[in-house]
Amino acid sequence: GNSVTQMEGPVTLSEEAFLTINCTYTATGYPSLFWYVQYPGEGLQLLLKATKADDKGSNKGFEATYRKETTSFHLEKGSVQVSDSAVYFCALTRGTGNQFYFGTGTSLTVIP
Amino acid sequence: NAGVTQTPKFQVLKTGQSMTLQCAQDMNHNSMYWYRQDPGMGLRLIYYSASEGTTDKGEVPNGYNVSRLNKREFSLRLESAAPSQTSVYFCASSGRQGSETQYFGPGTRLLVL
Repeated sequence: GNSVTQMEGPVTLSEEAFLTINCTYTATGYPSLFWYVQYPGEGLQLLLKATKADDKGSNKGFEATYRKETTSFHLEKGSVQVSDSAVYFCALTRGTGNQFYFGTGTSLTVIP
Repeated sequence: NAGVTQTPKFQVLKTGQSMTLQCAQDMNHNSMYWYRQDPGMGLRLIYYSASEGTTDKGEVPNGYNVSRLNKREFSLRLESAAPSQTSVYFCASSGRQGSETQYFGPGTRLLVL
């Protein structure tokens, strides 16, 4: 079946620290991979995505590379800011109109 | 362009009461989804509609019904609410121009007493 496993939180970092949130997946075929971010009291927003192996998604200083050999899509940022404090969700889908499968979310708090 | 809108934002129900959560999107998307979000559980799919006129069960459909009223609107109904349905409910849509990305509404916080 299809599933996503991401590292459990919460994660607390100091401002300007390096961030990695691990995500691995199980899927049949060739899924597309996503990272969504949820700020307090809001819905999920797309952060970045990658649709095929070796693609790198990037946005707002965040990056993730689709690694088919390790079935991973780890989220990284070189220097986090207080405004990055949120819950981050890794997700996959098999295609347009198909279900999304979400990880359980990783809460990030960045302290000044 | 409002994106995905949901009403109400917050609701308190007594056990056994019924209610309908409304969702609408103005992005001409084909597919729409209902999720619930519970602490430590991530998002779980309740029902989805891949296109107008079709609906399918997701991971946790028991206790819910849905209606794809037209291309824009997708409602979720709780016929007899239970405390286990206390959650935050998110509607999402996708499918414009072949894009897989899902766009989410702001959520409905439901408390069942």
